[in-house]
Amino acid sequence: AQTVTQSQPEMSVQEAETVTLSCTYDTSESDYYLFWYKQPPSRQMILVIRQEAYKQQNATENRFSVNFQKAAKSFSLKISDSQLGDAAMYFCAYRRRGGTSYGKLTFGQGTILTVHP
Amino acid sequence: GAVVSQHPSWVICKSGTSVKIECRSLDFQATTMFWYRQFPKQSLMLMATSNEGSKATYEQGVEKDKFLINHASLTLSTLTVTSAHPEDSSFYICSTEGIRRDYGYTFGSGTRLTVV
Repeated sequence: AQTVTQSQPEMSVQEAETVTLSCTYDTSESDYYLFWYKQPPSRQMILVIRQEAYKQQNATENRFSVNFQKAAKSFSLKISDSQLGDAAMYFCAYRRRGGTSYGKLTFGQGTILTVHP
Repeated sequence: GAVVSQHPSWVICKSGTSVKIECRSLDFQATTMFWYRQFPKQSLMLMATSNEGSKATYEQGVEKDKFLINHASLTLSTLTVTSAHPEDSSFYICSTEGIRRDYGYTFGSGTRLTVV
């Protein structure tokens, strides 16, 4: 079974600074997707960024970028120029590609990010 | 974009009663719906997966008779918490694949259930 581990229960960053959230996963699959989701106080889940395992290039979305290390099974999220609105709980998630249960997301434990003004 | 409307956003019920939570896909057809449960400051725990027109698949440890899932149409999936007890109090979220199945998931806004 796949597992996703976020080893940082809480992180904090100063506004305008950069912060990196860690995520590792375990899978025997070679083709899969990885996601970072944000859950602000409203508790609405918001997709931040996604990465396809077969792509070597790290995904970027404006101030958000990932460091995808397939061999190490690591998928960290870097938030640059942090803003107060970035404060939320962040979840790393895995989904295999193909197969009967390919639609199922496996979430990490989550990291609460606090942004200080 | 793909939107999933979840209702109610919050509900308080008495022990022993049943509560129904609805998730509707507004501008696309949701063949598969995932139901999650989340406790404060914890991760989302998958409870079950429902497919339109067939029985739901429950995760290990989830009581099928307590959490009834119905996915009668391509735009509506419901979760009914039967004979609710205080320990069922939680945040319930539905999710489905969006229009592009390989892109990401669309989540409902969640339902906060409090059983008193």
